[in-house]
Amino acid sequence: EVQLVESGGGLVKPGGSLRLSCAASGFTFSSYSMNWVRQAPGKGLEWVSSISSSSSYIYYADSVKGRFTISRDNAKNSLYLQMNSLRAEDTAVYYCARDDLVATMTDYWGQGTLVTVSS
Amino acid sequence: VIWMTQSPSLLSASTGDRVTISCRMSQGISSYLAWYQQKPGKAPELLIYAASTLQSGVPSRFSGSGSGTDFTLTISCLQSEDFATYYCQQYYSFPRTFGQGTKVEIK
Repeated sequence: EVQLVESGGGLVKPGGSLRLSCAASGFTFSSYSMNWVRQAPGKGLEWVSSISSSSSYIYYADSVKGRFTISRDNAKNSLYLQMNSLRAEDTAVYYCARDDLVATMTDYWGQGTLVTVSS
Repeated sequence: VIWMTQSPSLLSASTGDRVTISCRMSQGISSYLAWYQQKPGKAPELLIYAASTLQSGVPSRFSGSGSGTDFTLTISCLQSEDFATYYCQQYYSFPRTFGQGTKVEIK
């Protein structure tokens, strides 16, 4: 069974930093591209960042480029999101999500972790 | 950037109704479109990918159609468990984009 478990969310002040983690199990993590997607309270889904299986290809939304860094450790079956210079508008539930190996759509999602940026 | 227009934003319907949700792209994406269902407090779940392929385990009352710029999600006979918010997403190119969402509520 595919499982994605996010952690690391919490309350942080504007300008602060936070590192999210996603522990993957139930599939060969090193073969799959992974994503972070966020959802502000009461709002829609927003794609944040994607990373290919070997970290060769990395993409960011303009809203986080230069502030957030996606990375992965295939030996630890883990995905990360380092978030710096956080703003109030970064407040959201952050989901870790897997891309299908062949069809490339996002097929499995974690339960999410809440990040609140407030003074 | 590929812009997406999803409509309607709110749909009031009754159990047993046939409902249709539309997603229009600012440029062609072939069939690289997925539909997700999200219930309050839960993560999204994949319903349809490649515009019309039903994800394993998803009831056959859900169907998708379209290619290029215009896509549709249809629920043929609305069930109580289908009252939720639905999103389209293009995965043709980065940045990936989502539609604004359609909340299907009980009339």
